[in-house]
Amino acid sequence: DSGVTQTPKHLITATGQRVTLRCSPRSGDLSVYWYQQSLDQGLQFLIQYYNGEERAKGNILERFSAQQFPDLHSELNLSSLELGDSALYFCASSAPRLADEQFFGPGTRLTVL
Amino acid sequence: AQTVTQSQPEMSVQEAETVTLSCTYDTSESDYYLFWYKQPPSRQMILVIRQEAYKQQNATENRFSVNFQKAAKSFSLKISDSQLGDAAMYFCAYRSAMGGNQFYFGTGTSLTVIP
Repeated sequence: DSGVTQTPKHLITATGQRVTLRCSPRSGDLSVYWYQQSLDQGLQFLIQYYNGEERAKGNILERFSAQQFPDLHSELNLSSLELGDSALYFCASSAPRLADEQFFGPGTRLTVL
Repeated sequence: AQTVTQSQPEMSVQEAETVTLSCTYDTSESDYYLFWYKQPPSRQMILVIRQEAYKQQNATENRFSVNFQKAAKSFSLKISDSQLGDAAMYFCAYRSAMGGNQFYFGTGTSLTVIP
């Protein structure tokens, strides 16, 4: 158990809908990262938050948005969903020390029908 | 931005043999960390090993070791005495000391272990 929790584990929805994925980082970790992993693909970095502020942005679509709340949990909002958005969405957290790795949550499997 | 390259999309190894997975990266920084993650069929991301850029000594964790060549910007993973449980996707990652400590991942190498 990495200490990072993600809900829900699975999500099935229809095209055009909007969903929210939730992530709680490890206790004490200020950074939260979101990744998208399509079937048999690598990790696509979406966005990073540090202590409530956006720190870095990757290949995140305009239909996607995220935020980190004062209690440090984060939400990833996906709207106007398309079939191609079906993927495994990972949240990871890390401590500020350079030596610290990212700890990954179990992921949310999103299926868009 | 830093880039991480894994040039071997797929690799295979006989059980009990040794295999080396390649990773190169591009950076102008002198201070950074490198990691290898394993993603088994469960899809959980698991840290395998880490290497500090300022250390010349290669990191070792049981059957896993790295060959870190800083000048060549190379960070390969060696798995000795391969086991069936080693079958997974392996990702190389770079952690920057700048720009918010962002992580950069390679595209992964799928390792098959042949009984």
